[in-house]
Amino acid sequence: AQTVTQSQPEMSVQEAETVTLSCTYDTSENNYYLFWYKQPPSRQMILVIRQEAYKQQNATENRFSVNFQKAAKSFSLKISDSQLGDTAMYFCAFMVETSGSRLTFGEGTQLTVNP
Amino acid sequence: ETGVTQSPTHLIKTRGQQVTLRCSSQSGHNTVSWYQQALGQGPQFIFQYYREEENGRGNFPPRFSGLQFPNYSSELNVNALELDDSALYLCASSFPTGRSGANVLTFGAGSRLTVL
Repeated sequence: AQTVTQSQPEMSVQEAETVTLSCTYDTSENNYYLFWYKQPPSRQMILVIRQEAYKQQNATENRFSVNFQKAAKSFSLKISDSQLGDTAMYFCAFMVETSGSRLTFGEGTQLTVNP
Repeated sequence: ETGVTQSPTHLIKTRGQQVTLRCSSQSGHNTVSWYQQALGQGPQFIFQYYREEENGRGNFPPRFSGLQFPNYSSELNVNALELDDSALYLCASSFPTGRSGANVLTFGAGSRLTVL
């Protein structure tokens, strides 16, 4: 079984600054994917960034980047130049390659960007 | 391209009743999965449907059941509702891409169920 742990229930950051959200996971699988999803008050889960475990290069998507440490089973999200619209609940999620669409989510981190 | 739509957005039921939630998948997607998100928690996988058949199930009792239709839309049915079933139910659709890319899920905005 897979588990995903987010140890920061809440975080806050000033607009334009950088913040890092932490995520660790546990699995015996070798082929898997990792994701960060954002859930604003509108409730819709929005994909922020994804990482294939077989790729050593860290994924980057505009202001969002990850630090993927496979041996340590760590997958942190860095948000640069934080914007007010980044305020949301952020979920780290894990998917085994052969599982179809089965995601295992962490408990989430509520990020607040202050003006 | 239309996204994932869910209905109803909110509903209130009483213990012991039955509920049906509906989901229209994104155009071109043939896989639908359902998640239960209790207040303040991360979503939990209920099950997924591929080509009208259940193709994976999480740790949920049989009173949670589903259907997928030929147009890939889906229903989630919950019988004998319990208070703990109160949650946001999220539907997600995807198209399996194999190792060339992770199965990227597109989520709907959810159906908020309150059981009294």
